[in-house]
Amino acid sequence: EVQLVESGGGLVQPGGSLRLSCAASGFTFSSYWMHWVRQAPGKGLVWVSRINSDGSSTSYADSVKGRFTISRDNAKNTLYLQMNSLRAEDTAVYYCAREDIVVVPAAFDYWGQGTLVTVSS
Amino acid sequence: SYELTQPPSVSVSPGQTARITCSGDALPKKYAYWYQQKSGQAPVLVIYEDSKRPSGIPERFSGSSSGTMATLTISGAQVEDEADYYCYSTDSSGKGVFGGGTKLTVL
Repeated sequence: EVQLVESGGGLVQPGGSLRLSCAASGFTFSSYWMHWVRQAPGKGLVWVSRINSDGSSTSYADSVKGRFTISRDNAKNTLYLQMNSLRAEDTAVYYCAREDIVVVPAAFDYWGQGTLVTVSS
Repeated sequence: SYELTQPPSVSVSPGQTARITCSGDALPKKYAYWYQQKSGQAPVLVIYEDSKRPSGIPERFSGSSSGTMATLTISGAQVEDEADYYCYSTDSSGKGVFGGGTKLTVL
């Protein structure tokens, strides 16, 4: 069974840092591109970042570029999001999502349950 | 930056057809994907590559795309279809983008 489990969320002060993790299981993690998507309370989904299967290529939304870094450890089946210089507007539930390559190409076929990041003093 | 535009809300009675639109300049060249999100839950894929339906998604869900507009159609909407729906696509550089979301009310 495919599972994605996020962790690392919490309360952080403006300007602070946080690292989110997404533990993957039930599939060959190293074969899939992975994404982070966030959702502010009561608001819509926002794409944040993606990383290719071997970690050699990344992409970021303009709103987080230069502050956030996506990475992965295929040996540990884990996706990361390092978030620096956090702002109040980064407050959101952060989801990791798998981009499928076979059954539903380029779609997000599995999502984690999300982890809440709150940026406040 | 690239944007996808959706109506904030759509309302239908049970059994009626609900249509949710998504407009974006790159849609003639990029696929649209549709996600359903019920309150407190993670999103679920309901349409991929403009018009394909994943396994397990009811046949009443369909998608189409023409020019700069993609459309999600729910034929014979049911109360359990009440949710937020988001279109998703990518821009010319491959960055992802979601539409603002459409709240579907079925009552």
